[in-house]
Amino acid sequence: EVQLLESGGGLVQPGGSLRLSCEASGFAFTTYAMTWVRQAPGKGLEWISTISGPGGSTYYADSVKGRFTISRDNSKDTLFLQMSSLRAEDTAMYYCARVSPAHLGCDYWGQGGLVTVSS
Amino acid sequence: DIQMTQSPSTLSASVGDRVTITCGASQSINMWLAWYQQKPGKAPKLLIYKASKLESGVPSRFSGSRSGAEFSFTISSLQPDDVATYYCQQYHEYPWTFGQGTKVEIK
Repeated sequence: EVQLLESGGGLVQPGGSLRLSCEASGFAFTTYAMTWVRQAPGKGLEWISTISGPGGSTYYADSVKGRFTISRDNSKDTLFLQMSSLRAEDTAMYYCARVSPAHLGCDYWGQGGLVTVSS
Repeated sequence: DIQMTQSPSTLSASVGDRVTITCGASQSINMWLAWYQQKPGKAPKLLIYKASKLESGVPSRFSGSRSGAEFSFTISSLQPDDVATYYCQQYHEYPWTFGQGTKVEIK
């Protein structure tokens, strides 16, 4: 069974840093690109970053470029999102998702990790 | 960036009704469009990929189609369990972008 389990969310002050983790199980992690999508309270979905299976290619939304870094440890089947210079507008539920290599849709999602940026 | 314009923003219909949501792309995305269902407090769920392909395990009352740069998502017979917000998403090019969402309610 495919499972994605996020951790590392919490309350952080503006300007602070936080690292989200997404532990994967039930599939060959190395062969799948992975994505982070966020959702601000009461708002829609926003794609923020994708990383290729081997980790050599990364893509970012302009809203987080230069502040967030996506990475992965394929030896531990874990995806990361390092967030720095956090702003109030980064407050959101952050979801990790698996990208299907067959059609590129996000076919499995984690339960989400809440990040709150507030003083 | 490719803009995805989704309508309507809310939709109220009776059980058994046929409901349709549309999504327009600001430029060509070929067939690289997905539809997701999100229930309150839950993660999104993939329903349709490549504009019209039904994800495994998804009921056949859900369908997707394309006409040029306009995409449609249809529930052929609305069920109480379909109450949710639905999003389109293009993955033709980065940055991937979502539509604004359509909240579907039972009348």
